[in-house]
Amino acid sequence: SQTIHQWPATLVQPVGSPLSLECTVEGTSNPNLYWYRQAAGRGLQLLFYSVGIGQISSEVPQNLSASRPQDRQFILSSKKLLLSDSGFYLCARTWGSGETQYFGPGTRLLVL
Amino acid sequence: QQQVKQSPQSLIVQKGGIPIINCAYENTAFDYFPWYQQFPGKGPALLIAIRPDVSEKKEGRFTISFNKSAKQFSLHIMDSQPGDSATYFCAASDSGTYKYIFGTGTRLKVLA
Repeated sequence: SQTIHQWPATLVQPVGSPLSLECTVEGTSNPNLYWYRQAAGRGLQLLFYSVGIGQISSEVPQNLSASRPQDRQFILSSKKLLLSDSGFYLCARTWGSGETQYFGPGTRLLVL
Repeated sequence: QQQVKQSPQSLIVQKGGIPIINCAYENTAFDYFPWYQQFPGKGPALLIAIRPDVSEKKEGRFTISFNKSAKQFSLHIMDSQPGDSATYFCAASDSGTYKYIFGTGTRLKVLA
């Protein structure tokens, strides 16, 4: 299986609270992993990508961070959420060194 | 130079029509061009992808046309159905990076 799991599916958090979103993937080892954010009715904004354990590249400076503690686990975190952090968060992977990205089911985050 | 411009923003066609979605890019290093389909509340799903060494690729009712000299590529949906109603995203990447540049999306509605 090449399944991508994301949880939680939906999350409602108050402003200033911490955040932890998890993505785990099955199948081929050493995938490239990606976090995207999609605002309502908008396009896909790349937040972070990782080519290996402990290797994180940040695309957009903000109050979010990412970690990859295991080969098939990618975590998105924040110490203090902002209203502007609301959106649909998507994890994506490639198969090994392949170029095609495959997306998970997403986590909808609402910050109130 | 890193942008991918997608048009139109929205599109309404009758069942059986052939909606066409266009994308244009500037970076001549791009060498992989996927299209994704996204239903509300779901992650994007890969539809079809093309490389610049071919001018057209078909998969089922979906066709990509690619014009390397104009730096443009298009998605055509033959015999469109109401079930094709979704948001479509084009993207571009080059094999030297691990990142996609996404278009802003086209919301397609196919009327029954």
